[in-house]
Amino acid sequence: GQQVMQIPQYQHVQEGEDFTTYCNSSTTLSNIQWYKQRPGGHPVFLIQLVKSGEVKKQKRLTFQFGEAKKNSSLHITATQTTDVGTYFCAGRASGTYKYIFGTGTRLKVLA
Amino acid sequence: DADVTQTPRNRITKTGKRIMLECSQTKGHDRMYWYRQDPGLGLRLIYYSFDVKDINKGEISDGYSVSRQAQAKFSLSLESAIPNQTALYFCATSDTSGRAKETQYFGPGTRLLVL
Repeated sequence: GQQVMQIPQYQHVQEGEDFTTYCNSSTTLSNIQWYKQRPGGHPVFLIQLVKSGEVKKQKRLTFQFGEAKKNSSLHITATQTTDVGTYFCAGRASGTYKYIFGTGTRLKVLA
Repeated sequence: DADVTQTPRNRITKTGKRIMLECSQTKGHDRMYWYRQDPGLGLRLIYYSFDVKDINKGEISDGYSVSRQAQAKFSLSLESAIPNQTALYFCATSDTSGRAKETQYFGPGTRLLVL
């Protein structure tokens, strides 16, 4: 079945450093979503990418969808302590109606 | 999201017991989902429902059952709980149209411990 992997599993950065998490699907995706889960909280939707090669920005966050629609990345510029949490991608395979979540990348930001 | 509520928030039970986790939403969404979260494994889909008469198995449905009592309510049951069902359980909803189409809104979660 469809699998979605994320790397790295953990990342510790100094405040102000950049951070990137990568998401890879075993199958071609129709679209991909990104969520953030704060410690002790629930996942909260960040963004959805639909088009091949799409790039979207939200302030310091940059999201990319690969040309082959099998991978995606989230890049945070100049991390802040408020960026702490676990970032998940969730992909919906073409022809299906359910999302498969990646394993998540847990980000710690050291002040 | 306060529009999606889960009860109970925490539950301790013993092996072999039947338990039910409940989810209610006031968002008016047709689609509802149950996930479990385990450290290092992310969120795994247990069951999903696209309307009251539509129930589908997810990635890990064995040992679980669900009931969609109404558009706003989706319950998850563990018929005979076992220790490896200890996890954090999330309910989520999504719409089928509009700008937020397919965005999933999660409840606060239920932390379950099976002894």
